[in-house]
Amino acid sequence: QLQLQESGPGLVKSSETLSLTCAVSGGSISSSSYYWGWIRQPPGKGLEWIGRIFYSGSTYYNPSLKSRVTISVDTSKNQFSLKLSSVTATDTAVYYCARQGGASSTVPGGMDVWGQGTTVTVFS
Amino acid sequence: QSALTQPASVSGSPGQSITISCTGTSSDVGGYKYVSWYQQHPGKAPKLIIYEVSNRPSGVSNRFSGSKSGNTASLTISGLQAEDEADYYCSSYTGSSTYVFGTGTQVTVL
Repeated sequence: QLQLQESGPGLVKSSETLSLTCAVSGGSISSSSYYWGWIRQPPGKGLEWIGRIFYSGSTYYNPSLKSRVTISVDTSKNQFSLKLSSVTATDTAVYYCARQGGASSTVPGGMDVWGQGTTVTVFS
Repeated sequence: QSALTQPASVSGSPGQSITISCTGTSSDVGGYKYVSWYQQHPGKAPKLIIYEVSNRPSGVSNRFSGSKSGNTASLTISGLQAEDEADYYCSSYTGSSTYVFGTGTQVTVL
C-alpha cells in the first residue's frame, strides 16, 4: 500500500527558506501515471495547491507562489521535496504531500494518496 | 488564479440529500473534465471522493455523486449520515498543468 510521509522543521524563521521532504513507500515514485504534489492549509482555512512534479523532473507551480517555490525529486531515494523561500507568517500552515493522477492513471486529476501533513510555523 | 467558490456551510438531517456547489469559470471548471472533490475530517488529511467530475474511487460510497453544468460543479450526498459531517473541497484543472481548490464547505448533520 502506497504511503507518503512528510518531514522537515516545524519552525522556520521569517525571511528564510522552508524545506520539506516527502518520502514515498510501498511504491515507486518513477511512475509514468502519477505526479507528486504539495498542498497547504493555513490554520482554520482552506486548501491551497502549491505545485507538483513528474518523476522526470518536470514541475508545475501555482502562479501566485511560483517566484518562491521549488519542487524537486530524488528517484534514487524515492522522495520529493519542497522549498519555499522568503517565508512570512502567512506561510504558516499544515503542509501535505500527495500523489496526483495523470491522464493514464486510475484517478485522472485526483489526489488519491496523501501524507498525514506536517505543521510549519513561521516565527519572527 | 482565484479559488473556486463554494458555500461556506450546508446542513441536512440524517437520510436527506444535500448538494454542494463549486463555481468557477470557463478557464477552470467549465473548460475541463478534471474536477475532483475531497472530504476532510478535523485534524485529518483530505480524502478523494470524486474525480473527473463524477467518478468515484474504489471504496468510496455510492452515496456520493458528482456532476457539472457549465462553470459549476456539484457534489451530492444522498442518505446523509453522521459520518458525513466534515469539510468538503472541490478542485479543478486550470490549464498549464496547474490546479485550484475551492473555498471549502462545512457540512453539518443536524
